[in-house]
Amino acid sequence: GAGVSQSPRYKVAKRGQDVALRCDPISGHVSLFWYQQALGQGPEFLTYFQNEAQLDKSGLPSDRFFAERPEGSVSTLKIQRTQQEDSAVYLCASSLGPGAHSNQPQHFGDGTRLSIL
Amino acid sequence: AQTVTQSQPEMSVQEAETVTLSCTYDTSESDYYLFWYKQPPSRQMILVIRQEAYKQQNATENRFSVNFQKAAKSFSLKISDSQLGDAAMYFCASAPNSGYALNFGKGTSLLVTP
Repeated sequence: GAGVSQSPRYKVAKRGQDVALRCDPISGHVSLFWYQQALGQGPEFLTYFQNEAQLDKSGLPSDRFFAERPEGSVSTLKIQRTQQEDSAVYLCASSLGPGAHSNQPQHFGDGTRLSIL
Repeated sequence: AQTVTQSQPEMSVQEAETVTLSCTYDTSESDYYLFWYKQPPSRQMILVIRQEAYKQQNATENRFSVNFQKAAKSFSLKISDSQLGDAAMYFCASAPNSGYALNFGKGTSLLVTP
């Protein structure tokens, strides 16, 4: 597609359930990023992939968060045993080249709004 | 580590007027990039303008320009001839050239009045 696509757009889950959020980056983009945006805050970095390799997962808040990009295109962010503090918008972004060069802009998806009841 | 501070939670401007959004940052990196992103209510983050820290010339994109003061670690965004479509959250962000993660400020909500 023309842009970064994320699904679902909205997700409601009960505390303790597992959720999976999907990101389809722009075709051919090497780099893929996940960010978490709490209400009224700026996005915060979660993890970075270069093709299928997860090069940085320093922003993942706990071991309940897991991300993968097995074929170097679509990525899934999984949250196990969800907690109320996981409620946020999860943004995915992709960029054309390897992520070590910040001169290549990141293109963002519309995000998934996750609400944990 | 890099931190970004936006001290104006909300700003308001009349249509056709000029408004300046403030941003300061702190970094130990010698080579880095600075960005302004726009996030409308639809949520998609859109890149407005980008500045490479080693370039002294301020970046300009049509009605959008920056005032980059490297010594003061200041990176303000000026929007000229404001339009109703400019209403959105504006985020200032930084990223080291050696890295990839964007570090965002908390944002400034811009209201444009007719």
